[in-house]
Amino acid sequence: AQSVTQLDSQVPVFEEAPVELRCNYSSSVSVYLFWYVQYPNQGLQLLLKYLSGSTLVKGINGFEAEFNKSQTSFHLRKPSVHISDTAEYFCAVRSSGGYQKVTFGTGTKLQVIP
Amino acid sequence: DAGVTQSPTHLIKTRGQQVTLRCSPISGHKSVSWYQQVLGQGPQFIFQYYEKEERGRGNFPDRFSARQFPNYSSELNVNALLLGDSALYLCASRISADTDTQYFGPGTRLTVL
Repeated sequence: AQSVTQLDSQVPVFEEAPVELRCNYSSSVSVYLFWYVQYPNQGLQLLLKYLSGSTLVKGINGFEAEFNKSQTSFHLRKPSVHISDTAEYFCAVRSSGGYQKVTFGTGTKLQVIP
Repeated sequence: DAGVTQSPTHLIKTRGQQVTLRCSPISGHKSVSWYQQVLGQGPQFIFQYYEKEERGRGNFPDRFSARQFPNYSSELNVNALLLGDSALYLCASRISADTDTQYFGPGTRLTVL
């Protein structure tokens, strides 16, 4: 079984400040990890993914995430946020074997304050 | 190119009714997955289909069923609707069953009264 924990339900941050959205996962096998963004009344858009290789993954819109196997974490970071980054962010995990069941976390709402 | 499309965008039903939601994947994509997103929660996996075959099923009751057509579009059916079925239903397509990147549609908002 696999699971994802997003510890913060809401994160307020001032514009141009850095932000970190936390994600921890649990799985008995190797995993693939994802971050998605969901803007109001829209579907999910893939920000970045970790499949293998370098533990620092760069995505779209200036976001990056670091895979830490020992801490079973995959935190999302951005050095300087914009108003347009206000959205809900979901961390997701899929076991490297088996079919494509993706398990999502409960989401973190990022509110960028002008 | 068109992305994943879903219809209808909104739907209101009453308890006990049946509903059918539709999804058209991106052209060339052969796999479709369905997710249920209850307000305030992350999406939960319902089904994955590839080449008209069910490839995976989440922890949902038998009231939920789906199928995929030869043109790779898909329908999700929910029978005997309950209030708890109110949610945003998301469809995602990918090129093949094992491709990691999936593209989501805008969803169908189902309200059960």
